[in-house]
Amino acid sequence: DAGVIQSPRHEVTEMGQEVTLRCKPISGHDYLFWYRQTMMRGLELLIYFNNNVPIDDSGMPEDRFSAKMPNASFSTLKIQPSEPRDSAVYFCASSHLVGGDTQYFGPGTRLTVL
Amino acid sequence: GENVEQHPSTLSVQEGDSAVIKCTYSDSASNYFPWYKQELGKRPQLIIDIRSNVGEKKDQRIAVTLNKTAKHFSLHITETQPEDSAVYFCAARYGNNRLAFGKGNQVVVIP
Repeated sequence: DAGVIQSPRHEVTEMGQEVTLRCKPISGHDYLFWYRQTMMRGLELLIYFNNNVPIDDSGMPEDRFSAKMPNASFSTLKIQPSEPRDSAVYFCASSHLVGGDTQYFGPGTRLTVL
Repeated sequence: GENVEQHPSTLSVQEGDSAVIKCTYSDSASNYFPWYKQELGKRPQLIIDIRSNVGEKKDQRIAVTLNKTAKHFSLHITETQPEDSAVYFCAARYGNNRLAFGKGNQVVVIP
């Protein structure tokens, strides 16, 4: 298995632009998590899905952030409009509860908003 | 929700010595505690985990201990090597398969 795949790996955009981050979980995994990592706040859980259904989005900072999981192999995290304080590394992770609790992380997307 | 704290924030050790990182958690219902290693610019990767029905687990040079009564768990790295230099995150599972992460410990192994 290729592991969790994220794209793009780096994104530089200007304030006010829409940003879409993409994630492909490990095949067969039924949980998908979106995290944001910054020096100040560490690893923060933004939202997670179980069987494509959002379970908890209480970590989403504000209405500018939205996430979808239209099928078991694809999820997006969208920021619209983006702001400089959104600059961070965004990780997607997936896990399979029946097979174990381990969350496997993707390589991350480094987002810079100018 | 769960609150996880890690101590110390930075740890420097001489190559060959041992390193110990401690974490505390708040939710007594937490039953799964993984440790992740993150090298600079890379993704967090699981290195070892422990469940609440076990007090200790070892894998080569790394081990994890769990004290449920005191609600703390520790990572032990023996015979440290330069490639052990990284940030280490502890986590605790709570709620519906969510993980709460500590802020991370920078471990520096001095050759």
